[in-house]
Amino acid sequence: KQEVTQIPAALSVPEGENLVLNCSFTDSAIYNLQWFRQDPGKGLTSLLLIQSSQREQTSGRLNASLDKSSGRSTLYIAASQPGDSATYLCAVPRSNYQLIWGAGTKLIIKP
Amino acid sequence: DGGITQSPKYLFRKEGQNVTLSCEQNLNHDAMYWYRQDPGQGLRLIYYSQIVNDFQKGDIAEGYSVSREKKESFPLTVTSAQKNPTAFYLCASSTGQEEGYGYTFGSGTRLTVV
Repeated sequence: KQEVTQIPAALSVPEGENLVLNCSFTDSAIYNLQWFRQDPGKGLTSLLLIQSSQREQTSGRLNASLDKSSGRSTLYIAASQPGDSATYLCAVPRSNYQLIWGAGTKLIIKP
Repeated sequence: DGGITQSPKYLFRKEGQNVTLSCEQNLNHDAMYWYRQDPGQGLRLIYYSQIVNDFQKGDIAEGYSVSREKKESFPLTVTSAQKNPTAFYLCASSTGQEEGYGYTFGSGTRLTVV
């Protein structure tokens, strides 16, 4: 049974720092891994999707890596800004389209 | 722009009423989903549909119903049988296996029982 874990549950850092969010999964047979962002009271925004054949994806200041053999993905945020404050979620799909979710990391960037 | 539209943004329901939440997508995705999110909790799957005229129960389907008459639309009805319906409801759609199951979410509907 696939399980997805995110560490840490919460993170508070000063503005300008580079930071890493972690996501681990127990079954390496995944189609992809997707990172989302959720602002309080809002829907989810897709940040990056890494296919199983890829090692990383980049979008602006965000870089996500995938290591299937170790069951890990990291989301790297460069030069953090207060606007990056949100909850970050990772998820992997089951074979029948459903997503298995991590519990999320609540990120606070202090001005 | 392609995306998912959920309406209304806020919805108030009286005890014993059925209410319907709208979800429309113009992404040409076959698969659509409804999730429920409670304060401080993760997302829980209510129903999903992989193709028109077909849908399956998720983890918490009791007290909810759906229909999928059109590819673009996947409305969710919260029935009076749902004893604790106050929550944030999110609709999503996704590409299929060949395209890598990429998900897109709507902005959500906040349902409150009054």
